[in-house]
Amino acid sequence: EIVMTQSPATLSVSPGERATLSCRASQSVSRDLAWYQQKPGQAPRLLIYDASTRATGIPARFSGSGSGTEFTLTISSLQSEDFAVYYCQRYDNWPGTFGPGTIVDIK
Amino acid sequence: EVQLVQSRPDVKKPGESLQISCKGSGYSFTNYWVGWVRQMPGKGLEWMGIIYPEDSATRYGPSFEGQVTITADKSISTAYLHWSSLKASDTAMYFCARMYCSGSSCYPDYYFDYWGQGTLLTVSS
Repeated sequence: EIVMTQSPATLSVSPGERATLSCRASQSVSRDLAWYQQKPGQAPRLLIYDASTRATGIPARFSGSGSGTEFTLTISSLQSEDFAVYYCQRYDNWPGTFGPGTIVDIK
Repeated sequence: EVQLVQSRPDVKKPGESLQISCKGSGYSFTNYWVGWVRQMPGKGLEWMGIIYPEDSATRYGPSFEGQVTITADKSISTAYLHWSSLKASDTAMYFCARMYCSGSSCYPDYYFDYWGQGTLLTVSS
């Protein structure tokens, strides 16, 4: 079973700063990796799929990179609405497990 | 516009049964897998299972096989998650979500592109 890990668990960032989130897979998942954003009381929202493709309507300040076992989500300049929990998910085969999440909060 | 609308929050007692629903609209419901995801209080996202409404093919996550039943009624574009005997540990938010489908053949190994608003289930005596 492929295990997904995310780091850091919590990232404290000031508005306008850059945030870099990491997701690692215990085995290669090629580029079959998605990122979701979840705000309190809301459903997750798809941000990135295929490791680096932004979903419809996602601002350009969100970018994804990586392949194999190492992936990164970068938020270039944090806006107030970006403070949330971010999950990665592998989908190279079923079931596509989620990572434990990274909380991005206000510094 | 693609939408998944879930049933309202519910409060049940241990041992009771329950079925929650997820109604899809704005797309061809039968041609996309619909999954269920659990989120326990203050925790992360867990795969429960998934169904293909066209033929009701179903798969369950390892922790949920035998614990819940996923069905769908394609005539009314609705998927369901059913418990026969609830436990306090079933207290959680439950999300349905549509799985992306590429081309004419859909396999349950993609990401979720649309999500329902969630159904909060509280199980308490």
